[in-house]
Formats: sequence, structure tokens, C-alpha cells
Amino acid sequence: AQKVTQAQTEISVVEKEDVTLDCVYETRDTTYYLFWYKQPPSGELVFLIRRNSFDEQNEISGRYSWNFQKSTSSFNFTITASQVVDSAVYFCALSEIGRAQKLVFGQGTRLTINP
Amino acid sequence: DAEITQSPRHKITETGRQVTLACHQTWNHNNMFWYRQDLGHGLRLIHYSYGVQDTNKGEVSDGYSVSRSNTEDLPLTLESAASSQTSVYFCASSREGLAGEQFFGPGTRLTVL
Repeated sequence: AQKVTQAQTEISVVEKEDVTLDCVYETRDTTYYLFWYKQPPSGELVFLIRRNSFDEQNEISGRYSWNFQKSTSSFNFTITASQVVDSAVYFCALSEIGRAQKLVFGQGTRLTINP
Repeated sequence: DAEITQSPRHKITETGRQVTLACHQTWNHNNMFWYRQDLGHGLRLIHYSYGVQDTNKGEVSDGYSVSRSNTEDLPLTLESAASSQTSVYFCASSREGLAGEQFFGPGTRLTVL
């Protein structure tokens, strides 16, 4: 069975600090997708990134970066120079590739950026 | 612009009542999903559908049902609401193929008293 673990329930940092959110996953599939979603205080789910298991290249988008390591089954998310607007709950998720596309979510990490 | 909407946004009901949560998408996506969000569990899959007349059970389907009579709508019914079904419910849709990205609705907060 697939499983996603976000061991950090809550993280609190001061603005401009860098912060890394951990995500560890389990799957028997050899191919799969990994995702990060952001849920701001308003409650909606905002898609951040999708990573194909074929592609272990790290990705950077502005202040956001993602480190995918298949050898350790991890897909960590780093925010550089954090801002108050980054305060949210962040979810890591895993899905099969193919028709199923069912997402298995981690428990979420509540990130608070203090001014 | 294409979107996915849910109604109502907030609902309070009593134990034992039947409740239906609506989900409507204008993306013309074949795949639709219902999740519930609870503290400590993240989001968990309730039911999903790959197209009209197709429905499948997810991880936490007991006490819930869905039907798919057209592409745009996937209503979620709680046959006899229980306090354990107090939660925030999210509907999502995605196109067929390998893309995998799901677009989520705004959520419905359901309280069962």
C-alpha cells in the first residue's frame, strides 16, 4: 500500500529564515508521481509541483525548491527567505501513474512564519 | 474560466439525516474525486469516478455514496449522517491521461450534531 509521512506536524520560524519541509513516501510501484500542495488559511488547496519518479532532477521555482531522492524515498520542500505569506499547511502526496490518479496525502505540516 | 465549485460551503445537520454535497466542474474532466480532510490524517479518498456511470470506492467509503450521471457533477451522499463524518470535504477533478494534476474545489465544512 502507498503511504506518505510528514513527520513535522508544525514548524514555526522567523521571517527570512530558510525552512525545509520533509516528506517520506512508501510505494511498491516503480513509477509514480509526487506532489506538494499548499493550503493557506483561506482553506483552498493550491497545487505547487508534480514530480515524475523518472526524473530525479531537483527543481527550483523562485524561493521554492524541491529535492527528490529516490534512494531514500524522500521529496523535501525548501522555502528560502521565508515570508509571512508562506504561512500555510503544506501537504505532500503520492499517486500512481495511469488511470487511477488517486492521491495519497501525508498528514500535512503547518508552517507559521512570524514577522 | 473553467472551475470546480462545491455547495453548500457550510452545512450543519443532525445525526441520522441524509445529506448531499454537490460538486460541479466545468473543466470537462472525466476523473472526479471526493476527499475528506481531518486533523492528523491529511486528506483521504472517499470515492472516485473515471466517467459517466463509473464510480469506485476509496479508502474511507463506508457511509458514503456517489453517482455520476453526467461529466460535470459528482454529488456525495451521506445516507445517515454520523458525528464521525464531521469534516471538511473536498471535490477534485483531473483529465484523463498521465498528467495526474488534480484541481480542487473550495471545500465544504460539514458538522453533524
